Amino acid sequence: EIVLTQSPVTLSLSPGERATLSCRASQSVATYLAWYQQKPGQAPRLLIFNAFNRATGIPARFSGSGSGTDFTLTISSLEPEDFAVYYCQHRSNWPLTFGGGTKVEIK
Amino acid sequence: EVQMVESGGRLVQPGGSLRLSCTASGFTFRRYSMSWVRQAPGKGLEWISYISGDSSAVFYGGSVEGRFTISRDNANSSLYLQMNSLRAEDTAVYYCARVSDQIVFDFWGQGTMVTVSS
Repeated sequence: EIVLTQSPVTLSLSPGERATLSCRASQSVATYLAWYQQKPGQAPRLLIFNAFNRATGIPARFSGSGSGTDFTLTISSLEPEDFAVYYCQHRSNWPLTFGGGTKVEIK
Repeated sequence: EVQMVESGGRLVQPGGSLRLSCTASGFTFRRYSMSWVRQAPGKGLEWISYISGDSSAVFYGGSVEGRFTISRDNANSSLYLQMNSLRAEDTAVYYCARVSDQIVFDFWGQGTMVTVSS
């Protein structure tokens, strides 16, 4: 089973700042990595698939990068609605797994 | 509009069984693979099961394999999860999710809560 480790666990930033979230895989997942956003009391929402492709309707301030074992989700300038928990997920093989999440909170 | 609505979650005793349902609308159900993903209170996401559009491929996460069974009824656009031998650690919100051709979860239901407790 591929383990995905996200860091930091919590990121405290102000609106307008740049957020950089990391996801590291225990073995290579090529570019088979996705990112999701989850707000309290809501279902997750797909942001990025295949490492850098934005899902339909996702603003351009969200970008993904990386390959192999190291991946980054960048939010270029935080909007108030971006404060949430973010998860990465691989699809390299079975079982699919998620990272433990990074909470982006208002500083 | 793509929509999934889960149902069937409730309080159940350890060792008991439960069947969750997910009714989908707004897309051609039989053309999509589907999955169940759960989230324990205050915890992260855990993928637990996958089924292809024609039910020919089925996969499970290690924590539920042998106890849970995923199935679907394409005629009624419905997805199911039969859960047996339930444990306290199965307590979670259970989400039904549509699986894209890139094997990511592009649409999610709002979830149904399962509580396993005596």
